[in-house]
Amino acid sequence: QKEVEQDPGPLSVPEGAIVSLNCTYSNSAFQYFMWYRQYSRKGPELLMYTYSSGNKEDGRFTAQVDKSSKYISLFIRDSQPSDSATYLCAMSIETSGSRLTFGEGTQLTVNP
Amino acid sequence: GAGVSQTPSNKVTEKGKYVELRCDPISGHTALYWYRQSLGQGPEFLIYFQGTGAADDSGLPNDRFFAVRPEGSVSTLKIQRTERGDSAVYLCASSRGTGGEVNTEAFFGQGTRLTVV
Repeated sequence: QKEVEQDPGPLSVPEGAIVSLNCTYSNSAFQYFMWYRQYSRKGPELLMYTYSSGNKEDGRFTAQVDKSSKYISLFIRDSQPSDSATYLCAMSIETSGSRLTFGEGTQLTVNP
Repeated sequence: GAGVSQTPSNKVTEKGKYVELRCDPISGHTALYWYRQSLGQGPEFLIYFQGTGAADDSGLPNDRFFAVRPEGSVSTLKIQRTERGDSAVYLCASSRGTGGEVNTEAFFGQGTRLTVV
């Protein structure tokens, strides 16, 4: 069993839709949770970073962490065609000097 | 440059050959990571450097893989006797590497796409 599970999609939505992306994990030692966005043939770029359980909002993006259920989510409001990319959840045990464990990524397409 | 730079962008090599992949991290970043990303998968950790030393090399798949960072800046990932299964995108990332609660965001390069034929 993988340490981090993520539905690979693909996910296709109309412009303006609310998108929900999710990951589950099995390692209770994970303390730091991140969402990365990766455009085709580019490296991942950090979107959201959270530490504790609860919600964190940044513009149209909301990251949610439920440590008791070992479940994290990313919500995208008012989705735009420019949001079309692969979204990767990632987790680590420590804030620095610690490997990131990634999900396999969800491919999202937002149709105009 | 402002970001993490990886060269070459693409590398095609024959099975059994030796390859070197280079990573130039963001200036001043002490932490450097190598990941491997196969098609349709998330990046998979290979090795982490703090300064010149490999602090964690537990992700290297076998002894054909080796990485160095002799002066604590540029790093080279070396693969001997390449196999077709080594074909993937090799990603490098760097971060400030400071401890505590500070968000030590890892910035990724665009990757080197390695194809072994």
